[in-house]
Formats: sequence, C-alpha cells, structure tokens
Amino acid sequence: AQSVTQLDSHVSVSEGTPVLLRCNYSSSYSPSLFWYVQHPNKGLQLLLKYTSAATLVKGINGFEAEFKKSETSFHLTKPSAHMSDAAEYFCVVTNAGGTSYGKLTFGQGTILTVHP
Amino acid sequence: SQTIHQWPATLVQPVGSPLSLECTVEGTSNPNLYWYRQAAGRGLQLLFYSVGIGQISSEVPQNLSASRPQDRQFILSSKKLLLSDSGFYLCAWAQGAGNTIYFGEGSWLTVV
Repeated sequence: AQSVTQLDSHVSVSEGTPVLLRCNYSSSYSPSLFWYVQHPNKGLQLLLKYTSAATLVKGINGFEAEFKKSETSFHLTKPSAHMSDAAEYFCVVTNAGGTSYGKLTFGQGTILTVHP
Repeated sequence: SQTIHQWPATLVQPVGSPLSLECTVEGTSNPNLYWYRQAAGRGLQLLFYSVGIGQISSEVPQNLSASRPQDRQFILSSKKLLLSDSGFYLCAWAQGAGNTIYFGEGSWLTVV
C-alpha cells in the first residue's frame, strides 16, 4: 500500500522569502517520489523526482527536495520565492513492485500564494 | 520524442448522456497509462490505471469505466453522466513505475 500526505493545504509567503511545502509518504517498497506544479487552468509540470539516487534532488526553477527515509518525508523547498511560483503543488509517490506496481498516488495539493 | 494527446479539451454534456474521452501516446511502447480527475478545489483523484493492454485497475467505485483497446490508447467512458462527474480529467503516461509521469493537457467536463 502507498499513500501521500501534504501537510498544508495553503502556504503563503512574501516574495524573496523561503518556501517550504511539506510531504510525508508511506510505501511498502522503495518508493519513487515526485513534485509537480500546476498553474491555474494548466496541465501538470514536473519539478523534480527522486528515484533512489542522491537524497537531495534539485529541480527546475530553483526548487529542491530532500528524501528522508527515517522521517518518510520529501519536503519541497526554495530559498527565495518569486511571484511566478504561485501555483498548486502536488507530491506523488509510486512503487516499482508489489500490488501497487504502476500506481501513482497524489497528495491533495498545496496552494502556494506569493505576496509582493 | 514522446507525445501525449487528449481530447476533447472541453465538453458540456447533459445529465444522463454518454461520455468518451480519448488519450493516445506516441513515441513509446507499453506505457503505463492513467486517468485522473481533479474536481474544483480538490486534489487529483486516480480513477483508473493500466500497465498493459486489457489490464485496467479501478481505484474508485463510480459510473465511469476505462478501456485500453490498443497499447497506446486509453479511453474513459460513461453510459450515463451525473452532475458529480463534472471536473478536469487528466490522462497521463509513464514508462514503467518510478519514471517520470507525463500529462496530457486535460479535458474540462461540465455536466449540466
């Protein structure tokens, strides 16, 4: 079985301040984890992914995430928010084996608001 | 390169009418295929996924069904739409578990 919990439904930051979007997961197998971003009325764009290589993953637009197995977390961070970062962010988990093979599970999403 | 096409982009259907949303992937073979629904103000809900032709896993009991008649074709259907079926439907594919997921542009369905 697998699941994803995004701990905050809304996050609000000021432009230029750090961003932290939290994600916890559960998985019966070694998971692959992703962060996607969705701007209003648009499709989903991949920010970054973790697939059992380096635990600190760097993505596009200055985002990065750290896989912490002991904490079952995969939090998304950015040192300095930009107005264009305002969007909804989704954490995704999938397994390469077991009864959940091929299944993608999305978190409920976190809406990021950036204030000038 | 691989591409994913999803259509129609928008659809307005009366309650009780049938539905067919189609998704095709090009440039790859034997992809995993997915249908998601994103209702207003909610996250993405996995509806169906398929790891091969004729193999459909249903995640949520509902009046929708999915079929995979060909390797790179995934169809979402309903015989009779409900108001609650309104939402944004996304098709996606991945080359095996653990690989990057690629999404279609989505289909807006409004049931009236």
